[in-house]
Amino acid sequence: KAGVTQTPRYLIKTRGQQVTLSCSPISGHRSVSWYQQTPGQGLQFLFEYFSETQRNKGNFPGRFSGRQFSNSRSEMNVSTLELGDSALYLCASSFRGGGANEQFFGPGTRLTVL
Amino acid sequence: AQTVTQSQPEMSVQEAETVTLSCTYDTSESDYYLFWYKQPPSRQMILVIRQEAYKQQNATENRFSVNFQKAAKSFSLKISDSQLGDAAMYFCAYSSGGSNYKLTFGKGTLLTVNP
Repeated sequence: KAGVTQTPRYLIKTRGQQVTLSCSPISGHRSVSWYQQTPGQGLQFLFEYFSETQRNKGNFPGRFSGRQFSNSRSEMNVSTLELGDSALYLCASSFRGGGANEQFFGPGTRLTVL
Repeated sequence: AQTVTQSQPEMSVQEAETVTLSCTYDTSESDYYLFWYKQPPSRQMILVIRQEAYKQQNATENRFSVNFQKAAKSFSLKISDSQLGDAAMYFCAYSSGGSNYKLTFGKGTLLTVNP
């Protein structure tokens, strides 16, 4: 079974631009979560989607948004990029989400904002 | 809000020896799950072990075991017979058992294994 894939793996943008990151979950998984990882703040939860619906959202500004498609693939978008958005963005998939279901992480997308 | 604290930013262990990583958490919930994740230098996060709060028995997975002290809100990870491949960043994480579908992570402990 293929693992969680994320594209692109690396991205360089400049301040003010917008970016879209993609995550393909493990086949059969319907829950996709997104996390931001930075040296200073560690791992922080962005949002979680299940069957195309956002079920939970972390404490991030509205510039961060996401969506999920009918095939469970998910995208997250960051508009008006700031230097502080430079981070490793991880997505994780699970069968139904929640603590009872193991989350499988992708390799991440390294975003650098110049 | 739930918080997870890992008080040891770095730890080191000799190959074949045992090391214990500490984690404490704060919650008012009774239904929750605790996890240890490993993130090797390649960056892919891997689940090491999981503990359901309602289970009194400590979880074990081969060389990895936990010491779950619910009253003290402590959840430590013991790695026995440490191997070079165990070198990684280890994250303790919390998840509610209800409808809050997110993981709350500690800051991590960087484990070095010396040959």
